Amino acid sequence: RKEVEQDPGPFNVPEGATVAFNCTYSNSASQSFFWYRQDCRKEPKLLMSVYSSGNEDGRFTAQLNRASQYISLLIRDSKLSDSATYLCVVNPGDSNYQLIWGAGTKLIIKP
Amino acid sequence: EAQVTQNPRYLITVTGKKLTVTCSQNMNHEYMSWYRQDPGLGLRQIYYSMNVEVTDKGDVPEGYKVSRKEKRNFPLILESPSPNQTSLYFCASRKYSLEGPGNTIYFGEGSWLTVV
Repeated sequence: RKEVEQDPGPFNVPEGATVAFNCTYSNSASQSFFWYRQDCRKEPKLLMSVYSSGNEDGRFTAQLNRASQYISLLIRDSKLSDSATYLCVVNPGDSNYQLIWGAGTKLIIKP
Repeated sequence: EAQVTQNPRYLITVTGKKLTVTCSQNMNHEYMSWYRQDPGLGLRQIYYSMNVEVTDKGDVPEGYKVSRKEKRNFPLILESPSPNQTSLYFCASRKYSLEGPGNTIYFGEGSWLTVV
């Protein structure tokens, strides 16, 4: 089992819809969690950190479920510009600097 | 402007011909790393450095070398490139610890390397 797993997609979603995808992690001691966004052939950029209580940034909501060992990203009122690959990133907890990257979920928003 | 700069951005080279991909950051970050990204595999760490003269292997270090003589620079060296090193490479930097604010990872724009 991979340490961090994501459904590769692609998720094809009409503009304006709500879409959610999950990322599972294998190490129960994992400490920090992040979502990064990567546009085609570009570098990844931080979308948001994921806090234990869940957090929201505009149309984006991130949640952490420690019991089931997954994090989720919810995008409301999706825009064409949301089309990208979303990378889940986890600090496995055995150090405070190492990160494990998921392979990404590809999202395509259609007009 | 906070920046990670890597060069070259695109390179086609032949098997066995040594090459260096440079990486420089202007944020005085302690931690720098190199990743390669291949379809379906996500980002895999090649080497990382926690500070000047401190480097360590990541998940896929074979065939690569690095050095960290100055805080701002972290070059990636392929002594004898092979076709299986054809990939998209990213240099990244951040503060050492993931705790607290300012833990964003900054990436360079990527270097597309093809080894024929």
